[in-house]
Amino acid sequence: EDQVTQSPEALRLQEGESSSLNCSYTVSGLRGLFWYRQDPGKGPEFLFTLYSAGEEKEKERLKATLTKKESFLHITAPKPEDSATYLCAVRNTGFQKLVFGTGTRLLVSP
Amino acid sequence: EAQVTQNPRYLITVTGKKLTVTCSQNMNHEYMSWYRQDPGLGLRQIYYSMNVEVTDKGDVPEGYKVSRKEKRNFPLILESPSPNQTSLYFCASRTGRDGYTFGSGTRLTVV
Repeated sequence: EDQVTQSPEALRLQEGESSSLNCSYTVSGLRGLFWYRQDPGKGPEFLFTLYSAGEEKEKERLKATLTKKESFLHITAPKPEDSATYLCAVRNTGFQKLVFGTGTRLLVSP
Repeated sequence: EAQVTQNPRYLITVTGKKLTVTCSQNMNHEYMSWYRQDPGLGLRQIYYSMNVEVTDKGDVPEGYKVSRKEKRNFPLILESPSPNQTSLYFCASRTGRDGYTFGSGTRLTVV
């Protein structure tokens, strides 16, 4: 069964303090690993899709990387507006769904 | 603006009273899906649709129905809601292998 585990559950950073969020996964035939940002009371907002080990993608202060067992979301010099829950999900060959982790709640203090 | 629109945003209802949550997308996407989000369990798929008149069960379909009569609309129907269906619901659509777009969510409370 496909499974996604995210750590830590919650992370508190000072503004400018860089860190990484982890997403470990097991999947039968990866057809994409997705990162989403979710603000309270809102729907998930798409950030990145990674398809193969070694792939990296960047957007502003965020950088996502992928290995065969896990993905990292690196946050460089975060700002308070980066505070949100970050969700990781995988999609496998043949199944029409995303399997989500339970997310990492990030709080960035000024 | 490309978007997925859900209505209502908030709904409080009583056990057994049929309700429908609407979902509409303006991106001409063929694939649409419903998820529920519960604390500690994350987002779980309820139903999905590959195209008009083609629907299939996700991981937690019990107590729900869907229909896909037009490409843009994918309503979620609870014919006899129960308190364990109290949750935050999201509709999503997708084109190709990428780009899942989620709606803003419907917070449902069943008392």
